Amino acid sequence: GQNIDQPTEMTATEGAIVQINCTYQTSGFNGLFWYQQHAGEAPTFLSYNVLDGLEEKGRFSSFLSRSKGYSYLLLKELQMKDSASYLCAGTGGYNKLIFGAGTRLAVHP
Amino acid sequence: DADVTQTPRNRITKTGKRIMLECSQTKGHDRMYWYRQDPGLGLRLIYYSFDVKDINKGEISDGYSVSRQAQAKFSLSLESAIPNQTALYFCATSDPTGDTNQETQYFGPGTRLLVL
Repeated sequence: GQNIDQPTEMTATEGAIVQINCTYQTSGFNGLFWYQQHAGEAPTFLSYNVLDGLEEKGRFSSFLSRSKGYSYLLLKELQMKDSASYLCAGTGGYNKLIFGAGTRLAVHP
Repeated sequence: DADVTQTPRNRITKTGKRIMLECSQTKGHDRMYWYRQDPGLGLRLIYYSFDVKDINKGEISDGYSVSRQAQAKFSLSLESAIPNQTALYFCATSDPTGDTNQETQYFGPGTRLLVL
């Protein structure tokens, strides 16, 4: 079956580090995406992992373990503008994406 | 100018009405997608098209139809709208790149639809 699980909500403090976890089970898995979506706006691409390990991109890093069906998104030096939903999506064959419900992150001063 | 545009941005309609949501892109991508987003459920794929002559059903195609008029245009129709089709609808495009199998999808701004 196709399934993506991630926490519904998280809160964090400005300047801190937060890790958003995602577990997945998709047939035809080719890689895992993370998207950011501010309320009422379009999802925007953050990262893509196809191999095991950590991919770092500025304040954001993403990790993948294919054997464990697990990924996380790490956000460092949190800013207020990072308050958004973070969507985990696994490829489900024929380049179709299977999205999780999203994790709503609230960053507080 | 936005690469992926959707019209209308907001629409209120009544049960039983036929409506069309339109998507245009200037990215030159062959692949286009329609999703709906509901609170707590994430994005769900309605239809997708890998080129002008290719149309495929997604996870939740019942009650919807699509038309790929050109590489740049992909329309979604609700033949007879019902209240549980109230949702945020997104169009997306993608193009396969290189050897990495990365095929990032780029989303339009969304259409907020309310069916009364």
